Amino acid sequence: ETGVTQTPRHLVMGMTNKKSLKCEQHLGHNAMYWYKQSAKKPLELMFVYSLEERVENNSVPSRFSPECPNSSHLFLHLHTLQPEDSALYLCASSQEWQGSYEQYFGPGTRLTVT
Amino acid sequence: AQKVTQAQTEISVVEKEDVTLDCVYETRDTTYYLFWYKQPPSGELVFLIRRNSFDEQNEISGRYSWNFQKSTSSFNFTITASQVVDSAVYFCALSEALLLDNYGQNFVFGPGTRLSVLP
Repeated sequence: ETGVTQTPRHLVMGMTNKKSLKCEQHLGHNAMYWYKQSAKKPLELMFVYSLEERVENNSVPSRFSPECPNSSHLFLHLHTLQPEDSALYLCASSQEWQGSYEQYFGPGTRLTVT
Repeated sequence: AQKVTQAQTEISVVEKEDVTLDCVYETRDTTYYLFWYKQPPSGELVFLIRRNSFDEQNEISGRYSWNFQKSTSSFNFTITASQVVDSAVYFCALSEALLLDNYGQNFVFGPGTRLSVLP
């Protein structure tokens, strides 16, 4: 495996379900990110982790809970979501979390909340 | 606060035409970085280029070229002799080096331009 991988690629869940999105990067990077991409809206940065520590949280509702057990893995735990949370969730990584480094993205998880 | 504007929501061209995608940015920082990404229908954003604010030299990579103009705060992207495989959403992004409350990376994406290249 190379680059950034995400599983599952597609997820349909009810509002009372609990599910998790997984991201893994094989690039030896120290920073990882979660983004939300909704239709007709810009990419929204949700969480940033640097060396497994959260460094940025852009006022994301608590029904989204990130976890970074090591620098290669990132999870997004979901519970009691709303239909407006349906979106493409993208994971990314970069060498460091400072602004000079480009981010590399995974293919995303298409989430539908029913 | 920084901001990225991509005024062209959608562009359609016929194969082999040249096309320029506009990007205008706002920042209060003197040190910043500009990026272009491509998002094909598969969904994965692909990194194309990074430019820092001290390097205004234009860059060419195959059919792709970038024109960075600090005087107009623009970082435009031109595809020469477009091909159907260039059809995608293209995002311009800005990152500041300024450290704000220990949050080092302030990465902002523009809304994207959807390019359709017709055969």
